[in-house]
Amino acid sequence: AQSVSQHNHHVILSEAASLELGCNYSYGGTVNLFWYVQYPGQHLQLLLKYFSGDPLVKGIKGFEAEFIKSKFSFNLRKPSVQWSDTAEYFCAVTRNTNAGKSTFGDGTTLTVKP
Amino acid sequence: NAGVMQNPRHLVRRRGQEARLRCSPMKGHSHVYWYRQLPEEGLKFMVYLQKENIIDESGMPKERFSAEFPKEGPSILRIQQVVRGDSAAYFCASSPGNQDTQYFGPGTRLTVL
Repeated sequence: AQSVSQHNHHVILSEAASLELGCNYSYGGTVNLFWYVQYPGQHLQLLLKYFSGDPLVKGIKGFEAEFIKSKFSFNLRKPSVQWSDTAEYFCAVTRNTNAGKSTFGDGTTLTVKP
Repeated sequence: NAGVMQNPRHLVRRRGQEARLRCSPMKGHSHVYWYRQLPEEGLKFMVYLQKENIIDESGMPKERFSAEFPKEGPSILRIQQVVRGDSAAYFCASSPGNQDTQYFGPGTRLTVL
């Protein structure tokens, strides 16, 4: 079965630090990849997505992610985090051959200290 | 364009009662997905529906759970004879097509006493 692994369960950073959250998936076929963010008390919002083309994807709020097919990875990065980035981050994968159904990682809670 | 709407936002039920969760997709979206999030876990896929059809229900428990998306009205996730283990956040998402980005609603938090 397809799985998505987010290696860091909880990350604590100071403001202005750089961020990288890991995401690996197990499926070997063609996939669509997503990062979602869930701010405290709010619903999931799409940060960025990769369907095809340039493997370096720019998202909202200064986030980016790089798809490395050989490593089955889609890590999320931000050069300088802010206190307002405190939230839970979810990586998700949809297989092109199983359209619709997304598999989510267990999430990474990011706490940014002011 | 209103986002995905879910109601109620919070639902409390006693063991053995029925829970009905509603989801209104974004305008123009005919694909609806239900996910469940247990505490300290990620979202787990439950079911994928198009208007009047269940496309994929591989994540639905075999008993007590059902879902529908009628021609008119919202999608309904129904849980019969709820148990404490059903306590979770239930999220609905919608998309215009099956290869498109899914947009999530605010979720319904079900508490079973």
